Amino acid sequence: GENVEQHPSTLSVQEGDSAVIKCTYSDSASNYFPWYKQELGKRPQLIIDIRSNVGEKKDQRIAVTLNKTAKHFSLHITETQPEDSAVYFCAASRGGSQGNLIFGKGTKLSVKP
Amino acid sequence: ETGVTQTPRHLVMGMTNKKSLKCEQHLGHNAMYWYKQSAKKPLELMFVYSLEERVENNSVPSRFSPECPNSSHLFLHLHTLQPEDSALYLCASSQVRLTGELFFGEGSRLTVL
Repeated sequence: GENVEQHPSTLSVQEGDSAVIKCTYSDSASNYFPWYKQELGKRPQLIIDIRSNVGEKKDQRIAVTLNKTAKHFSLHITETQPEDSAVYFCAASRGGSQGNLIFGKGTKLSVKP
Repeated sequence: ETGVTQTPRHLVMGMTNKKSLKCEQHLGHNAMYWYKQSAKKPLELMFVYSLEERVENNSVPSRFSPECPNSSHLFLHLHTLQPEDSALYLCASSQVRLTGELFFGEGSRLTVL
């Protein structure tokens, strides 16, 4: 089955700096890669996702890149703000009814003002 | 609001008790999930229901018993739990065959004494 590794487990940056979180996956049939953000005491929420037919996707200060050959994908947050502080989870699946989301262990991001 | 509500939000039970967690989604989705979230572990998929049929049981001990009476409601019945079962139990829903995005509830924080 799918296995998703996520690094680092904790990340501390100064406000305004960039943050990068990396994930690798094992199932070459995976084609859907979402990122979820979970603020303290709240539910995980989807912030961005990418499918295997795309190499990069951006949404304002957030971007995700995918390297299918190497089976890794990354989350990039630019101009970080204190409200970006949260736990971020990457996940992978075959999509639709063919597979369920398998999550990484999460990265706790702290943005210091 | 994401439209997925869970009750109770907090639950403390002894190892001999029987309790139930409830999840309700108002999004018109046809798949519902139970995830377990423990400290320093990935979100662990427990059960998947698609169109009210259980399609996946991820080797979960029988002391956890799910029930899906209709596409909007999902229960997790608990009995003779162990202290290591203490965790945050997250319910989620999705529209299968579409984006695969999961909409999570706020979770039920379970403590087993």
